[in-house]
Amino acid sequence: NAGVTQTPKFQVLKTGQSMTLQCAQDMNHNSMYWYRQDPGMGLRLIYYSASEGTTDKGEVPNGYNVSRLNKREFSLRLESAAPSQTSVYFCASRQGANTEAFFGQGTRLTVV
Amino acid sequence: AQSVTQPDIHITVSEGASLELRCNYSYGATPYLFWYVQSPGQGLQLLLKYFSGDTLVQGIKGFEAEFKRSQSSFNLRKPSVHWSDAAEYFCAYRPTSGTYKYIFGTGTRLKVLA
Repeated sequence: NAGVTQTPKFQVLKTGQSMTLQCAQDMNHNSMYWYRQDPGMGLRLIYYSASEGTTDKGEVPNGYNVSRLNKREFSLRLESAAPSQTSVYFCASRQGANTEAFFGQGTRLTVV
Repeated sequence: AQSVTQPDIHITVSEGASLELRCNYSYGATPYLFWYVQSPGQGLQLLLKYFSGDTLVQGIKGFEAEFKRSQSSFNLRKPSVHWSDAAEYFCAYRPTSGTYKYIFGTGTRLKVLA
């Protein structure tokens, strides 16, 4: 099983450019998440989707949009990238209440 | 506010020594609790989890954690550290009702001396 797959693994953007981070899971999980990881700050939740067709804001949603395209895929879009969005982005998924989250390998994004 | 505190940003231990990483949470009821490990350039891998029952939880790679309700703590332990345990460790919890969110601590980076 591939688990949670994120693309791309690395990306450099110029300020003001847009891009979409892709995430797909093959575990038939209901819930999916986007986190960003910054040094000394742990993981902070950007958006999550409890089930197909629903999305909710997390701690740091400003500057991002998401789409739960179907049960497998949950994409994160930066409409106008800013240097403050330089970070490592992780997608995760979870099946049910008494289960843990499974993480992708991350996307390292640099905005110059 | 709900939060997870990992008071040690960096810990250095010698190979073969014992290890304890601290984690405290702020939440009104007993949450679901997790420890994840992250090797450089990698995603997060689950070490162990606590949902209910026995407060001493065994995980992979020889790790264990003990849930102490009275102290709101879920400390991670290993009796003998190996050089390959060098990584960053994250404690996390998820409330048992009302939200699907996982709350993460800021992490503890472990260095192992040969």
